[in-house]
Amino acid sequence: DTEVTQTPKHLVMGMTNKKSLKCEQHMGHRAMYWYKQKAKKPPELMFVYSYEKLSINESVPSRFSPECPNSSLLNLHLHALQPEDSALYLCASSPRGSSPSNSGNTIYFGEGSWLTVV
Amino acid sequence: AQKVTQAQTEISVVEKEDVTLDCVYETRDTTYYLFWYKQPPSGELVFLIRRNSFDEQNEISGRYSWNFQKSTSSFNFTITASQVVDSAVYFCALSEAYSTGTASKLTFGTGTRLQVTL
Repeated sequence: DTEVTQTPKHLVMGMTNKKSLKCEQHMGHRAMYWYKQKAKKPPELMFVYSYEKLSINESVPSRFSPECPNSSLLNLHLHALQPEDSALYLCASSPRGSSPSNSGNTIYFGEGSWLTVV
Repeated sequence: AQKVTQAQTEISVVEKEDVTLDCVYETRDTTYYLFWYKQPPSGELVFLIRRNSFDEQNEISGRYSWNFQKSTSSFNFTITASQVVDSAVYFCALSEAYSTGTASKLTFGTGTRLQVTL
């Protein structure tokens, strides 16, 4: 069973609002991720944190600001979003791997936060 | 570049029928990992299986089975005696390594929507 929890489950925000999505995992994983998923599309990677440091930013607009306060928490701060940013935002984590590349680590996802920008 | 193809966009079956979801992948790596995830309407991506490129043994887990064939670059997923609760979008994914940290990167297929009716 997944142990990645996300809050809120649903969020409606105006284009001038500032809000945050929160994610927590208690599996001791050292990599955490934010994905964005539009309807009928696969998830798209946004950010990767490795050992609480931002290691990958997939050219995400600055109106999305990630934060990793500690090894268990991951936030996504939202500001001045556009209606086209409405999507399902998925948090995920993966364990520390034994191989140098860690390419085989399973990524575990949370239930997601459904975001609507009006 | 890595690529995952799920040619079946939607499949509709009647309960108790067997159904196979196809997945074909492309990679230049000699070591790689393949995954299947299930996404019910609630949104959560549920991990189903991980397979590494050196292990071509087929796997069975209850009503689920997976057929991995490197010769055809395929990793197909069969549900036996399908049930209404199997209705979901199923994603096949291929993992590649980042050069730093503990992170993994998944390349997703476009997903196959399975509808099981009574």
